[in-house]
Amino acid sequence: DAGVIQSPRHEVTEMGQEVTLRCKPISGHNSLFWYRQTMMRGLELLIYFNNNVPIDDSGMPEDRFSAKMPNASFSTLKIQPSEPRDSAVYFCASRTSGASTDTQYFGPGTRLTVL
Amino acid sequence: GEDVEQSLFLSVREGDSSVINCTYTDSSSTYLYWYKQEPGAGLQLLTYIFSNMDMKQDQRLTVLLNKKDKHLSLRIADTQTGDSAIYFCALRGSSNTGKLIFGQGTTLQVKP
Repeated sequence: DAGVIQSPRHEVTEMGQEVTLRCKPISGHNSLFWYRQTMMRGLELLIYFNNNVPIDDSGMPEDRFSAKMPNASFSTLKIQPSEPRDSAVYFCASRTSGASTDTQYFGPGTRLTVL
Repeated sequence: GEDVEQSLFLSVREGDSSVINCTYTDSSSTYLYWYKQEPGAGLQLLTYIFSNMDMKQDQRLTVLLNKKDKHLSLRIADTQTGDSAIYFCALRGSSNTGKLIFGQGTTLQVKP
């Protein structure tokens, strides 16, 4: 299996621009998670989906952030407009809810730099 | 709310044992996890322990769980420079939605 795939791996953009991060979960997994990691705040859960439906988006910082999961094999996290404080590494993770252990499998992350 | 605490940094010499500690508040978690993050990479599951176990050993890794004190530890025997990474303790949230609660991560530095 290819594992969780994220693109792009690195993104540099200017303040005010729209940024779209993409994630392809592991085939057969029906839960998907978006995290943000910074030195100051550590690893934060932004939002997660079960069977393509958003379950908990309480971690989404503000209205500038939105996430979609149009089908079981694809999700996007969009920031519009982006700000320098959004600079972080964004991880996507997936799991299969049928498994007893709830193990999450992480992608390699997208390093976002907003200038 | 649910909380998971870890010390931020640990430095050991190559060949020594490393012990990374974690404390938590939610006693209802059924599974507790250790993830490893190498530089520039995502988190990778190292091992996990079920809450009805006190200890789990997997090659150089030993996980100890003290439910009374809500304390979880990861011992790495014969620590190698390749073990240098950030180690995250995590547990399943009590809401049973599959959400994991992560600690802040412990940076392990292994000196040659």
